[in-house]
Amino acid sequence: EVQLVESGGGLVQPGRSLKLSCAASGFTFSNYGMHWIRQAPTKGLEWVASISPSGGSTYYRDSVKGRFTISRDNAKSTLYLQMDSLRSEDTATYYCATGDTYYGYTYFDYWGQGVMVTVSS
Amino acid sequence: DTVLTQSPALAVSPGERVTISCRASESVSTGMHWYQQKPGQQPKLLIYGASNLESGVPARFSGSGSGTDFTLTIDPVEADDTATYFCQQSWNDHTFGAGTKLELK
Repeated sequence: EVQLVESGGGLVQPGRSLKLSCAASGFTFSNYGMHWIRQAPTKGLEWVASISPSGGSTYYRDSVKGRFTISRDNAKSTLYLQMDSLRSEDTATYYCATGDTYYGYTYFDYWGQGVMVTVSS
Repeated sequence: DTVLTQSPALAVSPGERVTISCRASESVSTGMHWYQQKPGQQPKLLIYGASNLESGVPARFSGSGSGTDFTLTIDPVEADDTATYFCQQSWNDHTFGAGTKLELK
């Protein structure tokens, strides 16, 4: 059974940093691209960042480029999101998700339960 | 960014057929996927590649469309289908629709 368990969320002041982790099990982690997707309270979903199976390629939405860093440790089957210079608009539940592709189109087939990040003074 | 537009809400009776639409601001070919999210839960994949049913998802769910206009159909609707449904495109980065909240009468 695929399991994704996020951790590391919490309350943080604007401008500070936080690092999220996502522990994966039940599948061969190193074979899959991984993603972070967030959802602000009572809002819709927003893709944040992606990383290739090897970790050699990373992708970010414009609003987090230069502030967030996605990484992975395939030996530990763990995905990370380092979030620096946090802003109030980064407040959201952050989900990690596995990605699969259909004729080159990526979709998110397994999701963690999410972890809440609140940026406030 | 490719913008996805969904109707905000729908209300139907159990046993009826419901169609949830998603319109893209530009063609996304068949790079459209659908998710169901119940309150307090993570999203769940229903349909990928516009019309492919994810393993384990009931056959009551189906998807259609290509280009800019897509539809998720539930037939027949059951009480457990009360949820918000999101479309997502992966033709140009990844964007989600704002979601359609499905309520049962």
